[in-house]
Amino acid sequence: QKEVEQNSGPLSVPEGAIASLNCTYSDRGSQSFFWYRQYSGKSPELIMFIYSNGDKEDGRFTAQLNKASQYVSLLIRDSQPSDSATYLCAVNVSGGGADGLTFGKGTHLIIQP
Amino acid sequence: GAGVSQTPSNKVTEKGKYVELRCDPISGHTALYWYRQSLGQGPEFLIYFQGTGAADDSGLPNDRFFAVRPEGSVSTLKIQRTERGDSAVYLCASSLGAGAPTDTQYFGPGTRLTVL
Repeated sequence: QKEVEQNSGPLSVPEGAIASLNCTYSDRGSQSFFWYRQYSGKSPELIMFIYSNGDKEDGRFTAQLNKASQYVSLLIRDSQPSDSATYLCAVNVSGGGADGLTFGKGTHLIIQP
Repeated sequence: GAGVSQTPSNKVTEKGKYVELRCDPISGHTALYWYRQSLGQGPEFLIYFQGTGAADDSGLPNDRFFAVRPEGSVSTLKIQRTERGDSAVYLCASSLGAGAPTDTQYFGPGTRLTVL
């Protein structure tokens, strides 16, 4: 049974601070990990992916992966009100690439001006 | 370039009716995915196509759900004898399908299905 767990929130962070979003997964065979952002009434939009242990940075976003602990996180630096959205963690168990993703329920992030 | 498109954007039907939802993937993407998202939940995987064939249909909830992709591009998700519990947003995504571990899926705007 593939499971991806996220705290549903809401997570409230002051503008300009660092927002930290966490995700755990159950399947040790999971190979790649994705963070999507979803605004209310819209479809998921890819922020970044990670598949190697450690940190991966892209602008204000940093993804962190620890396969031993089955844990992946997303840090958002210098949070802006426009970052307010639901953040979905998704996991691809297959090592072959294309496959259906298993999503968590998402964390609702609110950036307070 | 053009992203994934889905039609209709909204569909209201009555319990017991048949519906078809259409997805047009990004040009050149060989992999196509259908997901279903209920309020407050993450997307739930339904089926994945590589080219014309269904590579994984393990997420289809029952035999009322069926999907096709006859020419390896546009896909249609078909739901027979709809039930109120089928009400959700149906999302389509596509990816290059190149086999890389980070083959990235891009989502369409979704079809909101309401079964009365």
